[in-house]
Amino acid sequence: GAGVSQSPSNKVTEKGKDVELRCDPISGHTALYWYRQRLGQGLEFLIYFQGNSAPDKSGLPSDRFSAERTGESVSTLTIQRTQQEDSAVYLCASRPPGLGTDTQYFGPGTRLTVL
Amino acid sequence: AQSVTQLDSHVSVSEGTPVLLRCNYSSSYSPSLFWYVQHPNKGLQLLLKYTSAATLVKGINGFEAEFKKSETSFHLTKPSAHMSDAAEYFCVVIEGGFQKLVFGTGTRLLVSP
Repeated sequence: GAGVSQSPSNKVTEKGKDVELRCDPISGHTALYWYRQRLGQGLEFLIYFQGNSAPDKSGLPSDRFSAERTGESVSTLTIQRTQQEDSAVYLCASRPPGLGTDTQYFGPGTRLTVL
Repeated sequence: AQSVTQLDSHVSVSEGTPVLLRCNYSSSYSPSLFWYVQHPNKGLQLLLKYTSAATLVKGINGFEAEFKKSETSFHLTKPSAHMSDAAEYFCVVIEGGFQKLVFGTGTRLLVSP
């Protein structure tokens, strides 16, 4: 079956511009996560969505970052007024519902470069 | 808070020799631990996971890991490295009710012929 998909795969933008990254989770997966991976580092948690509940935004680094998800479908991560330190790979993951389902399935990521 | 420490940023082995990637965790209770692999220009793939059912966990591609509570370790091993094993490996622990993944800084495995 189809995995998690993300678009675009690469995005180059100028400092100060806004960007929007998209994630399509695996169908039926109720939980969705966004992570950021800076060069040579592990992943940092950004935000978590679970069904129609309020998202956990505790990992968002600043108010320039926001994300939305409608129901259990597509999610978009928006970065406003991009800065060079925002350059990273942004990864999305989804997880199926139910107890004991702790495996997250990752998309290929969007590589963001801010010039 | 949960955390994991990967003790080596790079590990180099020859093809056919054993692999050992080290990970120590910090947790106030019995954690759920994972190893993920990231090949160049590819997404993260789950290698194996520990969720307290058995201390020795077998994963894909011949990898396994042993949970040692006394040492707070979850080292990843493979008896014989293959060229295709060259990748970045992440030790990961789950934190919180919503199962946020907390990643280690990664270990890059280099395999030489």
